[in-house]
Amino acid sequence: GAGVSQSPSNKVTEKGKDVELRCDPISGHTALYWYRQSLGQGLEFLIYFQGNSAPDKSGLPSDRFSAERTGGSVSTLTIQRTQQEDSAVYLCASSPQSGGPTGELFFGEGSRLTVL
Amino acid sequence: QKEVEQNSGPLSVPEGAIASLNCTYSDRGSQSFFWYRQYSGKSPELIMFIYSNGDKEDGRFTAQLNKASQYVSLLIRDSQPSDSATYLCAVKTTGTYKYIFGTGTRLKVLA
Repeated sequence: GAGVSQSPSNKVTEKGKDVELRCDPISGHTALYWYRQSLGQGLEFLIYFQGNSAPDKSGLPSDRFSAERTGGSVSTLTIQRTQQEDSAVYLCASSPQSGGPTGELFFGEGSRLTVL
Repeated sequence: QKEVEQNSGPLSVPEGAIASLNCTYSDRGSQSFFWYRQYSGKSPELIMFIYSNGDKEDGRFTAQLNKASQYVSLLIRDSQPSDSATYLCAVKTTGTYKYIFGTGTRLKVLA
């Protein structure tokens, strides 16, 4: 596809279950970002990938959160033992570059996670 | 102090008026500044970026940057009801990867 694709678009889970959120970036984009947006809040940075490596994981809220990227393309964000405070929209964005001054972020439609 | 601050609004303006959205940032090393528009239930989309002091115009939109005051603004001329959305300010330091977003300002353009 032409844009950033995320799945699932909606996920309802029970507290304590594990969830996986997937992001397929725009082809050729080397930089990939995960952000979290809670109701009425701004975008909270979670993690950034350049290629398959994640230079900075400091935005991940706890050790229940992990992410990987394979083949310089698809990324998966995994949340283990979900808690109610994990409920949010998880946005993935890709960019053709990360260090330049004008790199635009292209966002996917997000994965809305609801933890009951 | 938050790294990027915006008034959450809502900012209400009548149709045809100028809407002025403001953003302040704390990191003096910030080099690039972005305005994203986010419609309710949708993902953010880029409107404009600016990295030089002064004004940058694109159609009805003008971004203004004042690095000395650590202030960036977005003006929307001839506001339309379709401009009603949340506007997110994002800041980036050249050579780094991280975009820091503000919490956004909700704009309502009244018909």
